[in-house]
Amino acid sequence: DTAVSQTPKYLVTQMGNDKSIKCEQNLGHDTMYWYKQDSKKFLKIMFSYNNKELIINETVPNRFSPKSPDKAHLNLHINSLELGDSAVYFCASSQGDLMREQYFGPGTRLTVT
Amino acid sequence: AQSVTQLGSHVSVSEGALVLLRCNYSSSVPPYLFWYVQYPNQGLQLLLKYTTGATLVKGINGFEAEFKKSETSFHLTKPSAHMSDAAEYFCAVSDRGDYKLSFGAGTTVTVRA
Repeated sequence: DTAVSQTPKYLVTQMGNDKSIKCEQNLGHDTMYWYKQDSKKFLKIMFSYNNKELIINETVPNRFSPKSPDKAHLNLHINSLELGDSAVYFCASSQGDLMREQYFGPGTRLTVT
Repeated sequence: AQSVTQLGSHVSVSEGALVLLRCNYSSSVPPYLFWYVQYPNQGLQLLLKYTTGATLVKGINGFEAEFKKSETSFHLTKPSAHMSDAAEYFCAVSDRGDYKLSFGAGTTVTVRA
């Protein structure tokens, strides 16, 4: 059973389009995250939800909007896509704070042309 | 905010040789410390973590790391490299009780036959 899953795995789209990435975890965790990994493999936290409440909201353009319909799901919607949004986006989950391990999904490679 | 420095963006070792990856953090209070591994086209997997207690931490795949408060370091070692160790390695840090992980820039490990 996949612990943290993301769809789609690859996403190729044109500038100006709106797209969504979905994430689901079946670990029973109460906290979920979105990370962005750029072309130089640098990882940066974007958002985090704990029990469906937004607890981390880094300096991210407001074109990015996370939504957590329940504790097991965290989706990322991106409006008006730009070339600079091309990256790999990782979802992760954990139980409680970071004393416990974060489990990462396989990533979604977004390419904006 | 925590910051993490990984010395050396690329490390090349011979199969069977020692692997040493360096990580230093900036904090006056001991944080939680992590090493993650990312295999090509995959998500991140936890190798080991330090939260409290013994400063020498053993992880998966024969890796271990030692927390040295006086040096603000958490270097990762493996006595004998295997071809399967070729991957990207990330050091990460979080404040105690926090949900935010700050990652280093990563170190690419290649293993020569």
